[in-house]
Amino acid sequence: DQQVKQNSPSLSVQEGRISILNCDYTNSMFDYFLWYKKYPAEGPTFLISISSIKDKNEDGRFTVFLNKSAKHLSLHIVPSQPGDSAVYFCAAKGSNDYKLSFGAGTTVTVRA
Amino acid sequence: DTGVSQNPRHKITKRGQNVTFRCDPISEHNRLYWYRQTLGQGPEFLTYFQNEAQLEKSRLLSDRFSAERPKGSFSTLEIQRTEQGDSAMYLCASSFGGGRETQYFGPGTRLLVL
Repeated sequence: DQQVKQNSPSLSVQEGRISILNCDYTNSMFDYFLWYKKYPAEGPTFLISISSIKDKNEDGRFTVFLNKSAKHLSLHIVPSQPGDSAVYFCAAKGSNDYKLSFGAGTTVTVRA
Repeated sequence: DTGVSQNPRHKITKRGQNVTFRCDPISEHNRLYWYRQTLGQGPEFLTYFQNEAQLEKSRLLSDRFSAERPKGSFSTLEIQRTEQGDSAMYLCASSFGGGRETQYFGPGTRLLVL
């Protein structure tokens, strides 16, 4: 049962423009959400997180938005840079969980 | 802080052989996790240690799989009688504390079973 879904397998964006990645979840017990970035042959690297008590968290070029009622979160990257080309994973956990539940990932390609 | 390290980075083995992977977490982290990632999917949870105690195992972890963290520091994941379906990237992560802590991942061990 896929509790975290990233319905867009890929995204292509021009350098300097905004990248918007979407993530939906089904488990209402999830209260902490993370985004990871992964380059080929490397492990996932933590980018940004948000807890359910907030609806927005910002860190430099990265902003995560959380809509609890819709069970939806998104990651905005502004402006997009060539080094942002990677696979992005959305992950979630509940307060009683140890494990992270991951989406299948979205491959972002930033065009020059 | 040297990050989470994993060895080996790559392993090719023949079906039926046993393999063992090692993970060294970030030194002050008391929690350690193993995940498995196959092509086109996100990482899937396998097992979790708090210090040396294995507190949770996924149903994905069949009886051919065993994990240990004997002194609450490094961990090993052993797969006995490997099958072609075991081919995947095996990821280790560590974290400190509880609640909304961030898990930091190692580079992974890519296993290919022929």
